[in-house]
Amino acid sequence: KAGVTQTPRYLIKTRGQQVTLSCSPISGHRSVSWYQQTPGQGLQFLFEYFSETQRNKGNFPGRFSGRQFSNSRSEMNVSTLELGDSALYLCASSLEGGTEQYFGPGTRLTVT
Amino acid sequence: QKEVEQNSGPLSVPEGAIASLNCTYSDRGSQSFFWYRQYSGKSPELIMFIYSNGDKEDGRFTAQLNKASQYVSLLIRDSQPSDSATYLCAVGYSNYQLIWGAGTKLIIKP
Repeated sequence: KAGVTQTPRYLIKTRGQQVTLSCSPISGHRSVSWYQQTPGQGLQFLFEYFSETQRNKGNFPGRFSGRQFSNSRSEMNVSTLELGDSALYLCASSLEGGTEQYFGPGTRLTVT
Repeated sequence: QKEVEQNSGPLSVPEGAIASLNCTYSDRGSQSFFWYRQYSGKSPELIMFIYSNGDKEDGRFTAQLNKASQYVSLLIRDSQPSDSATYLCAVGYSNYQLIWGAGTKLIIKP
């Protein structure tokens, strides 16, 4: 079975721009969670989607948004990028959420 | 508020010894418990999960769960330099969310 894939793997953007990151979960997995990780920091939960609905949300500003499609693929969008948004963005999929999650390789975003 | 706590370390263990990593959680409603390993610059990798009280063994890894005391441990036997990484503890709840600890950095010294 193919693992979780994330595109792009690396991204450089300028402050004020917006960015869209993509995640394809493991086949059959319906829950997709997004996390932000900065150097030396733990995983900061952004949001979780299940069957195209946002089921849980972390404490991030409204500039961070996401969506899930009928094939369970998910995207997250960050508008009006700030320097502090530079981080590794990780996507994880699970069968139904609350169970074991499997991570993609991440997208490393650099904001200049 | 649901919290998961881990000692940030670093925890330094000689090669061949047993590494013991601990995690405590605040909410008794937790239902599932996970250990992940994360190498520097890489994404977390699931290494163990446990749902019931007691021990669960998988190769050199043993997860121990004590719901009464609200802690879960990970033991790594015959530690190898390749075990050097950050270990993340996660706790699952009925609202389908995982709550994550900040991780313990483990260093295995040859």
